Amino acid sequence: GAGVSQTPSNKVTEKGKYVELRCDPISGHTALYWYRQSLGQGPEFLIYFQGTGAADDSGLPNDRFFAVRPEGSVSTLKIQRTERGDSAVYLCASSLIGRGVPDTQYFGPGTRLTVL
Amino acid sequence: AQSVTQLGSHVSVSEGALVLLRCNYSSSVPPYLFWYVQYPNQGLQLLLKYTSAATLVKGINGFEAEFKKSETSFHLTKPSAHMSDAAEYFCAVSASSSGSARQLTFGSGTQLTVLP
Repeated sequence: GAGVSQTPSNKVTEKGKYVELRCDPISGHTALYWYRQSLGQGPEFLIYFQGTGAADDSGLPNDRFFAVRPEGSVSTLKIQRTERGDSAVYLCASSLIGRGVPDTQYFGPGTRLTVL
Repeated sequence: AQSVTQLGSHVSVSEGALVLLRCNYSSSVPPYLFWYVQYPNQGLQLLLKYTSAATLVKGINGFEAEFKKSETSFHLTKPSAHMSDAAEYFCAVSASSSGSARQLTFGSGTQLTVLP
């Protein structure tokens, strides 16, 4: 089956604009994660969904960042009033269950966001 | 809280030589540990994971890692490097406690170069 897909692959925007990044997880995966990877760094956790609800959003840097997963499948990461410091690769991952022993997280190719 | 330190942001080896990528972790509870590989313009791919079943973990592509609690280490090795192993490698930790157990905390990565 298909892996995790993310759209767009690249997004260039201007400072102050609003952006939406989309993630399509592997079919049947109930857990979905968002990470952010800045240049030269490892991915940093943003938020984790179990089904439709955000189980842990402790990694969101501020209230300009918001994510939804209304039907328990596709998720959208929303960034308001973008800043140059938001430029990074945003990674999405999904896993089958997300309980107990960590299931393998499968990562998408990422969306490269550039804020001018 | 957990953290990961990867010693050496860049490692170069000759083709056929031993690969050793270092990872030390910090965790207040028994950890789960992971190694991921990232090829250019591709998503992170799981190489192997430690979930307390066995201290020596074998992964894909001939890689293995050994969990050493006394040294808080989880170094990645491969006996003989191949040109196709050139990529960036990330070590990650996840706590075994409940709550935010499923988020991964990544190291800053090690870029492996394989010389002909």
